[in-house]
This record gives sequence, structure tokens and C-alpha cells, in this order.
Amino acid sequence: ETGVTQTPRHLVMGMTNKKSLKCEQHLGHNAMYWYKQSAKKPLELMFVYNFKEQTENNSVPSRFSPECPNSSHLFLHLHTLQPEDSALYLCASSQGGTPEETQYFGPGTRLLVL
Amino acid sequence: AQSVTQLDSQVPVFEEAPVELRCNYSSSVSVYLFWYVQYPNQGLQLLLKYLSGSTLVESINGFEAEFNKSQTSFHLRKPSVHISDTAEYFCAVSDSGGYNKLIFGAGTRLAVHP
Repeated sequence: ETGVTQTPRHLVMGMTNKKSLKCEQHLGHNAMYWYKQSAKKPLELMFVYNFKEQTENNSVPSRFSPECPNSSHLFLHLHTLQPEDSALYLCASSQGGTPEETQYFGPGTRLLVL
Repeated sequence: AQSVTQLDSQVPVFEEAPVELRCNYSSSVSVYLFWYVQYPNQGLQLLLKYLSGSTLVESINGFEAEFNKSQTSFHLRKPSVHISDTAEYFCAVSDSGGYNKLIFGAGTRLAVHP
């Protein structure tokens, strides 16, 4: 595997379920990101991890819980979601977490909350 | 706070015609500017970026963008588009004196017709 991978690619869950999204980067990067992409809206930055430490939480509801066990893996734990949380969730990584860097994106997980 | 405005949500164009996708930003600080492209069912990938120096930047597949500080714009252009350029294009900005936080526009869907 190369680049940034995300699993699952599609997920349907009820509002009472608990699920997790997984992201893995094979690029040797030290910064990882979660974004939410909803139709007709700008990408929303949710969380940033630099060298495994969370450096940004963009006022995300607590029903979204990130976990970064090492620089290569990033999880997003989901519980008691709402239908408006249905969206494409994108993971990205970059080399060292500086503002001029290119971010490399995974293909996303398409989430539907019923 | 920074923001990015992409003035056109959709741009239809015929193959081999020129195209311009518009992007304006607002920021009180010095910025870096990016264009990312998202092909169907894929994550975003960098098309080009402006960090410093020449205000005209080019991509390997014929796109170019010009940084205009006085007009706070970073419009994307291509003199002759191909069917394969059909995708969604996102303009983004980061604070050059800050950390790795990208602010995205809402995107422009480019549809190239034969």
C-alpha cells in the first residue's frame, strides 16, 4: 500500500451505534488531519495531530473522538451520531506540520447516519 | 479570521476551450495559497501552490494560477481543457506565520463537455 489509505470506504450506521474510521499513511509523515466534506460546503478541518499530539480541535462535538497511537495511524471514533453528520470524512497527512506543506489525502469514508 | 471564496460553484466548458476558476481570499496576515483537485471517488490532490517569489505558478498538466496581492485573488486558468480535467477544484489558504491549518473554499465543479 502506498500513500494514505482509509477504511472502511463506506459506512452506514444508526444513531445509537459506535463505529471507528481508520486512516493509515505510508509516507513517513509526522502530521495527520481529519476533515469533514459535506455537499456544497467548504472542507471543514476537524482535528490536527503533530507528532502524535493533538494541536487542533476545531470545535468538534464530543460524539467524534480522535485517536493517534503513532505517526502512521489515525482513528476517528464515532458514537451517538446525528443524521447531519452524514458526510465524506477525509484523512490527510503532511511531512512536519508546517503551513507551506502539501497535504496528502486519502480517498475518504462515505458515512451515512440513519 | 481567514476565509476563501470560490465565486462559481459550477463551470461548464467545451473541450479545448479556455477556462478560469476564480478564488478570492481574505486575511490580515501573509498567506500561502493552494489549489487542490478532487476526481470522482478520490481524495484531494495538490495541483499547484504559491509560497513566495514569482506570482505565476504552474502545474505539470497545463494549469496555472497567479497570485494577486492587491486583489487578494488566486485564480486558476488553463488555455485548453480536456475531458479528463472534469473534477472539483478547491482553493485553500494557510497562514504563513502560523501552523498547518488549511482553510478551503467551497469548491468549483468543472465539467468539460465534448
